Amino acid sequence: DTAVSQTPKYLVTQMGNDKSIKCEQNLGHDTMYWYKQDSKKFLKIMFSYNNKELIINETVPNRFSPKSPDKAHLNLHINSLELGDSAVYFCASRKKGGNEQFFGPGTRLTVL
Amino acid sequence: GEDVEQSLFLSVREGDSSVINCTYTDSSSTYLYWYKQEPGAGLQLLTYIFSNMDMKQDQRLTVLLNKKDKHLSLRIADTQTGDSAIYFCAESNQAGTALIFGKGTTLSVSS
Repeated sequence: DTAVSQTPKYLVTQMGNDKSIKCEQNLGHDTMYWYKQDSKKFLKIMFSYNNKELIINETVPNRFSPKSPDKAHLNLHINSLELGDSAVYFCASRKKGGNEQFFGPGTRLTVL
Repeated sequence: GEDVEQSLFLSVREGDSSVINCTYTDSSSTYLYWYKQEPGAGLQLLTYIFSNMDMKQDQRLTVLLNKKDKHLSLRIADTQTGDSAIYFCAESNQAGTALIFGKGTTLSVSS
């Protein structure tokens, strides 16, 4: 059973397109996250979200928007893709009061 | 602001011990973490330590925490080629809403 899953694993698209990456967790966790890992492997938080609060890293462009249809899903929608958006995007989740974040396998986005 | 620093590379021979060091800035962090990322894979939590502890041992892994100096280390005993990966140190941000990662230390193990 996959705890945190992401689709697609790879995404190749043209500049200017709009795309979505999906994330699902079957752990019953309350909080979900999106992280970006750039080509130098640097990992940075983009969003954290529970059913009450969305916290956005102020450095994230507003072309990125998280959407949560329900507690088990946090999708990442990206408008007007740019070359610099190429990265690996990781979803994670954490249970309420828990210490550990569980990470998905990542989605490698390549913008041409 | 919150910041986590690590050296970027470490090279060891199989069977030796590896020590990966990390410094952090947020003294209010309750937990500090070590994650492992193998090539092309996601992040795997290796271990974490509560801030009121000095040391935690888990099989081949030993975590040392010097809270006064805000220094965290991960020691891997009897390093194997399968330990080759990127190791990330992380702390919780002040709001406790996310992890702040270091830039990762690439561990290369030669046989």
